Amino acid sequence: SAVISQKPSRDICQRGTSLTIQCQVDSQVTMMFWYRQQPGQSLTLIATANQGSEATYESGFVIDKFPISRPNLTFSTLTVSNMSPEDSSIYLCSVRDFTDTQYFGPGTRLTVL
Amino acid sequence: QKEVEQNSGPLSVPEGAIASLNCTYSDRGSQSFFWYRQYSGKSPELIMSIYSNGDKEDGRFTAQLNKASQYVSLLIRDSQPSDSATYLCAVNMDTGRRALTFGSGTRLQVQP
Repeated sequence: SAVISQKPSRDICQRGTSLTIQCQVDSQVTMMFWYRQQPGQSLTLIATANQGSEATYESGFVIDKFPISRPNLTFSTLTVSNMSPEDSSIYLCSVRDFTDTQYFGPGTRLTVL
Repeated sequence: QKEVEQNSGPLSVPEGAIASLNCTYSDRGSQSFFWYRQYSGKSPELIMSIYSNGDKEDGRFTAQLNKASQYVSLLIRDSQPSDSATYLCAVNMDTGRRALTFGSGTRLQVQP
């Protein structure tokens, strides 16, 4: 199975600032995704990170707020821009491998004050 | 109508009992099905996948799939307190969406 790392593991940020989360996979994967999980809630898909092109966003999520990059097959970043306390959540990187199995990274716990 | 439905629980079972977790899905063309376990404060961990009708066993876990009824379940035999977690059902739907569609999860509590 793919091994996924995320940085940072947690952060506390001030309102109005931005945070970039990095996701690194130890092998080439077909798909990379970003999820959000708010306290006590299930997973919400933010977007699919496409290699070398713009990400595909789910309804309710926009590029200006959550810009995503994927420069190669094993790395992606998610930026949470102009943060507000409502953005406090766990952000999860997820990958789909060549067996169509989906795995999750350890997550980034974000608190916005 | 939600695409993947699970009872939120909590489902409480005594230690040593069988825990039965259920999931229904809306897309009849769905091809692959997964169960994830998520401990509080941790990310989801894949525990089972199933692709064809019937049962698939892996240790104390058995996944069951019935495509005609659009139903998938997870049985945990000899439940242990360490099995206490939220169990997420995920479906690869035939909608062109590339990511799995997740249910909201069932919280399992195994009482010592």
